[in-house]
Amino acid sequence: GAGVSQTPSNKVTEKGKYVELRCDPISGHTALYWYRQSLGQGPEFLIYFQGTGAADDSGLPNDRFFAVRPEGSVSTLKIQRTERGDSAVYLCASSLTGGVVTEQFFGPGTRLTVL
Amino acid sequence: TQLLEQSPQFLSIQEGENLTVYCNSSSVFSSLQWYRQEPGEGPVLLVTVVTGGEVKKLKRLTFQFGDARKDSSLHITAAQPGDTGLYLCAGGAPNSGYALNFGKGTSLLVTP
Repeated sequence: GAGVSQTPSNKVTEKGKYVELRCDPISGHTALYWYRQSLGQGPEFLIYFQGTGAADDSGLPNDRFFAVRPEGSVSTLKIQRTERGDSAVYLCASSLTGGVVTEQFFGPGTRLTVL
Repeated sequence: TQLLEQSPQFLSIQEGENLTVYCNSSSVFSSLQWYRQEPGEGPVLLVTVVTGGEVKKLKRLTFQFGDARKDSSLHITAAQPGDTGLYLCAGGAPNSGYALNFGKGTSLLVTP
């Protein structure tokens, strides 16, 4: 379809391992966002890209988290030395342009479980 | 830190009933959005309100933005089972750039 897609849909890993989560935004959307949603919580902002650059990474919890968007389309969220507290649903969203008033279209998320 | 407080956290009603859910904050927001999220899916935008006192209607859903732009409400008339889901409010705080701040959500169950 033409929506935001995320892979994998589920990822189970062991504590200390490295994981990569992928997001394919809607074609032509210049803005891309990553959020994390823990059980019983609303989504929590992680990072925002405008084009290829990270315009706001203030939500990344620590330096184990890193995200890239090298060609201004697909983005990868990378988590090093995973911890059990990283377990959550990681949501990606894209919008035509940046800004909190513009509609963000969300993907179905990747459910990460760290054992 | 959750800037937006939503209430109630859970709501279970029967088809045909009316309900209101609330989204409150001590902070001023430049805009507020309401989303609905179903299990296994991402949130889907319902409405954006930007002006204090603004009221928007979407079929049986009525959204209001407080005059001071610190709170919002969502009223559903004659709820239907298809309204079941997690309702999230999200705000763009001044000086926060492009980050959306979400509340914890109100989980609504409408039974036939």
